[in-house]
Amino acid sequence: DTEVTQTPKHLVMGMTNKKSLKCEQHMGHRAMYWYKQKAKKPPELMFVYSYEKLSINESVPSRFSPECPNSSLLNLHLHALQPEDSALYLCASSRRQRTGSDSPLHFGNGTRLTVT
Amino acid sequence: DQQVKQNSPSLSVQEGRISILNCDYTNSMFDYFLWYKKYPAEGPTFLISISSIKDKNEDGRFTVFLNKSAKHLSLHIVPSQPGDSAVYFCAASQTGANNLFFGTGTRLTVIP
Repeated sequence: DTEVTQTPKHLVMGMTNKKSLKCEQHMGHRAMYWYKQKAKKPPELMFVYSYEKLSINESVPSRFSPECPNSSLLNLHLHALQPEDSALYLCASSRRQRTGSDSPLHFGNGTRLTVT
Repeated sequence: DQQVKQNSPSLSVQEGRISILNCDYTNSMFDYFLWYKKYPAEGPTFLISISSIKDKNEDGRFTVFLNKSAKHLSLHIVPSQPGDSAVYFCAASQTGANNLFFGTGTRLTVIP
């Protein structure tokens, strides 16, 4: 069982819809991440939150809007997506933002998003 | 440009034998390396890591070797078990940085 929980597991949405992806962790980790993974490609970083503040935005289009309501929750709000945004969206957390030998990323099982 | 490369997309090994998965990197500033295992419909699961001050780290059946001069790391699984069949990603970062750079993965199949 993963200690990072993502909902929903699957999501199909039209290009005019607004939807949200949710992520929750109860490990006391202070850094949370959104990654995007396309088929047969490695995960690519989208956003990093550290102590509930956005610290990294990897030039992600504004149709993706992250939110960190508290230290355990991370949301990704989606609006006016394109079919090419279809991918597996992975949430991860780590003990602290800065990577190091005591702070590996722990991933959720992801949300498989299809934009029609 | 891919900074972490896994040149073998797939590997098949007999149960009980050793599995060796390889990974190369180009950024000499990387000093922290990890291996993740991924089953279908699940997220990557952290397996083992190594920092650049070491050249070997062992955890049960899993051993990671780091060759800094060659910018190469490998994951050894011995003995291999059918439950090890999964996609394995290596990842690298610079200590204190915010991002992990992943390889494209190697699909390991352990044949009973």
